[in-house]
Amino acid sequence: DARVTQTPRHKVTEMGQEVTMRCQPILGHNTVFWYRQTMMQGLELLAYFRNRAPLDDSGMPKDRFSAEMPDATLATLKIQPSEPRDSAVYFCASGFHGLAGAETQYFGPGTRLLVL
Amino acid sequence: AQSVSQHNHHVILSEAASLELGCNYSYGGTVNLFWYVQYPGQHLQLLLKYFSGDPLVKGIKGFEAEFIKSKFSFNLRKPSVQWSDTAEYFCAVTSYNQGGKLIFGQGTELSVKP
Repeated sequence: DARVTQTPRHKVTEMGQEVTMRCQPILGHNTVFWYRQTMMQGLELLAYFRNRAPLDDSGMPKDRFSAEMPDATLATLKIQPSEPRDSAVYFCASGFHGLAGAETQYFGPGTRLLVL
Repeated sequence: AQSVSQHNHHVILSEAASLELGCNYSYGGTVNLFWYVQYPGQHLQLLLKYFSGDPLVKGIKGFEAEFIKSKFSFNLRKPSVQWSDTAEYFCAVTSYNQGGKLIFGQGTELSVKP
């Protein structure tokens, strides 16, 4: 049963520290999405990649957030420096985008981040 | 810009009651439609999806949804809910020119009383 995996599942850190979240998409999927979920804002798309190239990161605060895909099996989301307002659950999702243009996104279990 | 509206923020039902959650979207072109469910403390799981064909789509756990193009709607239904259906439900839309980006509704929290 193929799944998206994310590490760590929980992270507690202090303001100003760097946070790195990792995602392993489902093998064969060519699109990876990063979302943030909070009570106030709901689900927000931060960035996404297709075939490892960034397609859209307009939802991401550029000054402190960065997203990369070093290879097809790993996507990372970094926050440096972290702030209390970054506390949220960060979800990664992957899907296969083919010629038909339609894809289904499968979500990972999330990283629950608390910045003190 | 595309948007998705879920009319009910919180629905409370008793077990065995019927469920219908509303979802409307704003895009006029060809769309792909999804319902996801998020159980407390868990990640989003796909309930069902519509890409093309029969507008009545059946998903997991007895859920179904009907795509009504003229009404820009994709309402979720279940004839008889169970306590285990307590969760948050998200409607989402994408279209080809969105590059695969999902536009989510704000979610509907369903509480089922035993």
